[in-house]
Amino acid sequence: SQTIHQWPATLVQPVGSPLSLECTVEGTSNPNLYWYRQAAGRGLQLLFYSVGIGQISSEVPQNLSASRPQDRQFILSSKKLLLSDSGFYLCAWSVPGGGQPQHFGDGTRLSIL
Amino acid sequence: TQLLEQSPQFLSIQEGENLTVYCNSSSVFSSLQWYRQEPGEGPVLLVTVVTGGEVKKLKRLTFQFGDARKDSSLHITAAQPGDTGLYLCAGPDSNYQLIWGAGTKLIIKP
Repeated sequence: SQTIHQWPATLVQPVGSPLSLECTVEGTSNPNLYWYRQAAGRGLQLLFYSVGIGQISSEVPQNLSASRPQDRQFILSSKKLLLSDSGFYLCAWSVPGGGQPQHFGDGTRLSIL
Repeated sequence: TQLLEQSPQFLSIQEGENLTVYCNSSSVFSSLQWYRQEPGEGPVLLVTVVTGGEVKKLKRLTFQFGDARKDSSLHITAAQPGDTGLYLCAGPDSNYQLIWGAGTKLIIKP
């Protein structure tokens, strides 16, 4: 069966520090991968998605970047965090193809001080 | 731009009551997905509805896709505290990317 791992679960970082969140998927090949941010109790904002190694599409211009160095690894990064980067970050995967159901990790709660 | 509007935004009811939440759009969707998210976790897919007028049941949860495929509803019978969570609907846009509703936050009080 397929599983998705996302870490860390919580992170407290000072303003201006770098960020690296990692997500890995097991049990499937060539998945579509997604990074979302979620405001408290609200819907999902798509940040990045990837349909293959090295292929990244950005939905929202901002202080963050994403990379996909391996087929089942997706990384969210920042060189200098802003207060506004605080939030709940979710990684998800789906089978290839558009509009497919997505399967989520347990998220990372990021707090910027 | 295709949008999905969910209502109500927030609902708090007593255990044992019935409820319905809605996911509406002015656009036609080829399918709609419903997810439930518990605090501190990622959303979990409940169901996908594909055919206009389709009704799917998952225990006490009944999902309906509108005949025109522009809206969907989720009805919960005899709600239980375990039904508490954020209910999200999502559907593919014209570029086959999922767009998401803002969610209905449901609290079931014992």
